[in-house]
Amino acid sequence: NAGVMQNPRHLVRRRGQEARLRCSPMKGHSHVYWYRQLPEEGLKFMVYLQKENIIDESGMPKERFSAEFPKEGPSILRIQQVVRGDSAAYFCASSPSTGGYTEAFFGQGTRLTVV
Amino acid sequence: DQQVKQNSPSLSVQEGRISILNCDYTNSMFDYFLWYKKYPAEGPTFLISISSIKDKNEDGRFTVFLNKSAKHLSLHIVPSQPGDSAVYFCAASAFTQGAQKLVFGQGTRLTINP
Repeated sequence: NAGVMQNPRHLVRRRGQEARLRCSPMKGHSHVYWYRQLPEEGLKFMVYLQKENIIDESGMPKERFSAEFPKEGPSILRIQQVVRGDSAAYFCASSPSTGGYTEAFFGQGTRLTVV
Repeated sequence: DQQVKQNSPSLSVQEGRISILNCDYTNSMFDYFLWYKKYPAEGPTFLISISSIKDKNEDGRFTVFLNKSAKHLSLHIVPSQPGDSAVYFCAASAFTQGAQKLVFGQGTRLTINP
């Protein structure tokens, strides 16, 4: 049973380019979370999705950032027109839809560097 | 608005002794709490959790204590081992719009000295 898969592990983009980060949840998991970790900081919640639905995007910057979790395929975190301040580690986590509390399982993260 | 706070950025403990990591939260709607461990260049891994109906949960060398009235939880590791050196995040959870959301603290870097 593969864990949460994120790719790429490392991504370098020039200022103004687009960054696409992919996350495949664990098998059977229908909930996906995206978190960002800036250097020397904790995990900041960005967005929470279920299949085809955004449940909570209160942590997402209003501009340039978007996320989706289509019916088929991985969840995508998209950052348009990247700036140096977007450089961070982006972590995806998934959890099952059990109707009760459960832990979320994290991927290895994508380290985005904007040059 | 930091709803989950880990006020100690770092902690250094001698091997074999007890490590105590602390976490405070402000939102009384949180009723499920988790600890994660993170090594450099890796994703966080789940360690232990506790429901608000309990005040203690134990798993091997790891014990989590919850004091609801104080909105405080702690993670005890005993005896501490060099492999425990990592960043530890506490997280709190509540259901929002029918789904679970996790809020993390800033993390505490634990160093176990031989």
